[in-house]
This record gives sequence, C-alpha cells and structure tokens, in this order.
Amino acid sequence: EAGVTQFPSHSVIEKGQTVTLRCDPISGHDNLYWYRRVMGKEIKFLLHFVKESKQDESGMPNNRFLAERTGGTYSTLKVQPAELEDSGVYFCASSPRLANEQFFGPGTRLTVL
Amino acid sequence: RKEVEQDPGPFNVPEGATVAFNCTYSNSASQSFFWYRQDCRKEPKLLMSVYSSGNEDGRFTAQLNRASQYISLLIRDSKLSDSATYLCVATSGTYKYIFGTGTRLKVLA
Repeated sequence: EAGVTQFPSHSVIEKGQTVTLRCDPISGHDNLYWYRRVMGKEIKFLLHFVKESKQDESGMPNNRFLAERTGGTYSTLKVQPAELEDSGVYFCASSPRLANEQFFGPGTRLTVL
Repeated sequence: RKEVEQDPGPFNVPEGATVAFNCTYSNSASQSFFWYRQDCRKEPKLLMSVYSSGNEDGRFTAQLNRASQYISLLIRDSKLSDSATYLCVATSGTYKYIFGTGTRLKVLA
C-alpha cells in the first residue's frame, strides 16, 4: 500500500513569492491533516479535512495560508505571499477515521529567503 | 508551559542497555496518546499507541498514567538502529496531535 506522498520535497523561494505544496493521502483515508515544524520547535497542527470539508483550521497562522482539498482526494496548501517565518517543514498526514493513528508523509522543506 | 513536555536529551546509551523516556501533558481532556519515531530529516513514524493498561511490542513498552498525566516509553536491549528522535503525542480532542519536541536517543556500539 502506498503511503502519504508530498510534493515537492524541497522548495526555495524568495519572500513575497507564492508556493503551493501538495499532499496525496493514503487511498481511502477520509481524514487529512497538515502540520508544520519550524526550526527548533515542535511539530504543530495547522488544519484538518474530512473528505473535502475543512473541519478545523485553528492552527493556520494567518490568511496568507490557504488549504484546499477539492474532490476529497489530494490537498494543496498555498502560501501567498511567503514570509521569512514561513520557513520550515510542512508535513501532511492521513487517517481512515478520527482517533485512528495518523500516517505522515515525508514532508516538504520550505525555505523562504 | 508547553502542552506536551519531553526531555530533549540526548540520551547516549550502550548497545543492550535499557532506556526509559517520560513525557508529561497538560490537557487532562486528551484522549489518545502515541509514541512516534523520527529519523533525521524523515517523517514521524508510528511506534506505538499508548493505553492506560500499558502495552508492549517486542522490546518496547509504553505506559500511560492519567492521574499524573504522564506517558512513558521503555526500550529494552537497545540496538544501534534504535538511534532516532522519539516524539510523544497527546491529542487535543480526538484528532488534533499535540507533539512534544522529541527526545534524542543515540545507541553506541
């Protein structure tokens, strides 16, 4: 069974540019989560989808971040415009049901210069 | 105060040693608990879920103490391949993972 995949693995952009990260969850997993780890800090929750619906976006830092999951399959996380403090590793995770263990993708390492 | 606290380590132990990690959480409403393992520049991988009754998987034993709000992980007969960062997770509600900063373990030959 294929795991969670994320694209790109690395992205280096300049402040003010736009970046879009993609996550493909494990097939059949309705629940999809985005997390972020900034340098020296713990991994933090950003938001949660059930199928195509955003259930909880309480962790989104500000309105420069936009997440979508059209059709309830893959998800995108867009940062526009990117700021220096957005640098970090963005992880996606999925689970078949709430309260199940979450399976993480390899992450996208974002560097904003 | 962090919601989930772990000793960052590093814990340097010889092969074959037994090592224990503790983790405390502040939200008494947390419902689920996990230990994840993370290798350098890789994704967190589930090591085991943690139950009040305690659970064991080979050389690994996890325990939850709800009264004291702490979670433990015991690794017996450490192997070189156990070297990694161990992440303690408590949920806020049913699904929102709250991570600790991780405890680094290095098993020495």
